Amino acid sequence: DAKTTQPPSMDCAEGRAANLPCNHSTISGNEYVYWYRQIHSQGPQYIIHGLKNNETNEMASLIITEDRKSSTLILPHATLRDTAVYYCIVRSRNSGNTPLVFGKGTRLSVIA
Amino acid sequence: SQTIHQWPATLVQPVGSPLSLECTVEGTSNPNLYWYRQAAGRGLQLLFYSVGIGQISSEVPQNLSASRPQDRQFILSSKKLLLSDSGFYLCAWSAALGNTIYFGEGSWLTVV
Repeated sequence: DAKTTQPPSMDCAEGRAANLPCNHSTISGNEYVYWYRQIHSQGPQYIIHGLKNNETNEMASLIITEDRKSSTLILPHATLRDTAVYYCIVRSRNSGNTPLVFGKGTRLSVIA
Repeated sequence: SQTIHQWPATLVQPVGSPLSLECTVEGTSNPNLYWYRQAAGRGLQLLFYSVGIGQISSEVPQNLSASRPQDRQFILSSKKLLLSDSGFYLCAWSAALGNTIYFGEGSWLTVV
């Protein structure tokens, strides 16, 4: 699986949009971009994934650049409960037994 | 909808004692099941995965073993715990290898 690069930490004011960037310049054509988050002392929570089109669900939006070398996770109205470590992962849907590899992620702090 | 349960949530065990963590998945059949470990301040490490009853693949050599006695039950065990076995253990499932993986709430193990 391709590697990703994320900023180690970010702050966001409560109620504002949180935009979390991810660089995946070596992504290959069959690899998806997945986002998870881990709130302290809890298991990772799946947020969203996409291949090349932008995606939106009840939690977030995922914007993938046309060349697929980077993406941005958008939390439209961040709340204090969104404070967590956010992981960007690229992974082939045909990865078989390849483990889900979590990097260090971005620690998002939502501030009141 | 599918749910995943693991227990106990926390436990403190002396060195040399046995371990048994249990995980069950509801609302799906023939899931792929995983055990991950997260040591303090570190990323997630895949320990075991299973594609069916009695089928276990080990990703790293260690003091632990896994079993899948039923379709939706996954058990992590040890005969004699080491201090280095302390960590946050996560059970997870997916519909198929390479698909989105969903995590349980985790079990905190402290070996003393």
